[in-house]
Amino acid sequence: DTGVSQDPRHKITKRGQNVTFRCDPISEHNRLYWYRQTLGQGPEFLTYFQNEAQLEKSRLLSDRFSAERPKGSFSTLEIQRTEQGDSAMYLCASSPGANQETQYFGPGTRLLVL
Amino acid sequence: SQELEQSPQSLIVQEGKNLTINCTSSKTLYGLYWYKQKYGEGLIFLMMLQKGGEEKSHEKITAKLDEKKQQSSLHITASQPSHAGIYLCGADMDSNYQLIWGAGTKLIIKP
Repeated sequence: DTGVSQDPRHKITKRGQNVTFRCDPISEHNRLYWYRQTLGQGPEFLTYFQNEAQLEKSRLLSDRFSAERPKGSFSTLEIQRTEQGDSAMYLCASSPGANQETQYFGPGTRLLVL
Repeated sequence: SQELEQSPQSLIVQEGKNLTINCTSSKTLYGLYWYKQKYGEGLIFLMMLQKGGEEKSHEKITAKLDEKKQQSSLHITASQPSHAGIYLCGADMDSNYQLIWGAGTKLIIKP
């Protein structure tokens, strides 16, 4: 399967702990996106990368959130000092770029902060 | 308020019946995307519309974008249990490839 993959699929953590999620995009997709989704809502944009460059970050995103895409392939999203309000599904998507902008999503990482 | 409004929020339809889901924006859309999501899973791409008046079909699902590019509809003909899920519309409003999303329409198919 050459789709977008995310790891882990589920994460339970205690408030105050740090967590890191990984996303592997479709091979050769230049753009990579992170979203957060809570129950009954559509995805909320967090950030996106064009190759290894982080081009946009949501103004709503706390400083506790950081994302990297060091080699322009996989990406990591880290949340420091987690809070209960961080509990959500974290979705990663990739798109080819070059005027082909359909985003293909991974299965998501469901985070529960206790 | 949502920049992208979806209606209805939820829909229960008898198997075999047709249904329509709407997605409305207050701004002109550069691109409109329809996705389907099963509970607790990622989004599956259905269709993308860009041109005013454009219509696309895949199997029993048809999506249209109106001439003014501010409203889209998703129509399912002869619904089946496999159509059940959450349908989400996502829109590119600023031509910057960041999608704004509707809250989704939950579709239940009654056998």
